[in-house]
Amino acid sequence: QVQLVPSGAEVKKPGASVKVSCKASGYTFTNYGISWVRQAPGQGLEWMGWISAYSGTTNYAQKLQGRVTMTTDTSTSTAYMEVRSLRSDDTAVYYCARAPLKNWNYPFDIWGQGTMVTVSS
Amino acid sequence: QSVLTQPPSVSEAPRQRVTISCSGSSSNIGNNAVNWYQQLPGQAPKLLIHYDDLLPSGVSDRFSGSKSGTSASLAISGLQSEDEADYYCATWDDSLNGWVFGGGTKLTVL
Repeated sequence: QVQLVPSGAEVKKPGASVKVSCKASGYTFTNYGISWVRQAPGQGLEWMGWISAYSGTTNYAQKLQGRVTMTTDTSTSTAYMEVRSLRSDDTAVYYCARAPLKNWNYPFDIWGQGTMVTVSS
Repeated sequence: QSVLTQPPSVSEAPRQRVTISCSGSSSNIGNNAVNWYQQLPGQAPKLLIHYDDLLPSGVSDRFSGSKSGTSASLAISGLQSEDEADYYCATWDDSLNGWVFGGGTKLTVL
């Protein structure tokens, strides 16, 4: 079945970097994009950015520009998301979701279970 | 402060009907499709409504969506205890060149 499998939980110190992954299966990886959405404890959903699994083109939320990098490995159908210069308010569950390549009205129809990232000294 | 405005919480009795509103602007809801997501406690979000009013396969027809101008609504009829969840609206924003979410609405079934 179509699924996105996230990497495991991470604990990082302030100022460090974290790289989480999301392995896709059950569909043609390069026919879609991947969006990353995070959710701080007790808070709502925040869109972080998008990457085309076909071309590698990215689109990052303005708030995170310069601190986040999204990549894909088409040989393993895996998407990666790195956040640098971590702060305590980066503590959140990070979700990957299947997204469209071009039609921005298409929904995030498949979601991974999320990766908990804790930033603490 | 979310770009899309939702009420923080709504509550209603079992078997009743409830609606959740989502207010935006011409650069987002007014010009793009609205999608709704349901997040059950401790779980990842799940697509509930897409393209304003379409139900994905497997979603109960007790859920329905609508849109008018720069606002959208999610309605849930025949409320059941398992509907207790957080509900989020989302759409593309032409000005921000990215997706935006509402702040989420917590539904309590009394």
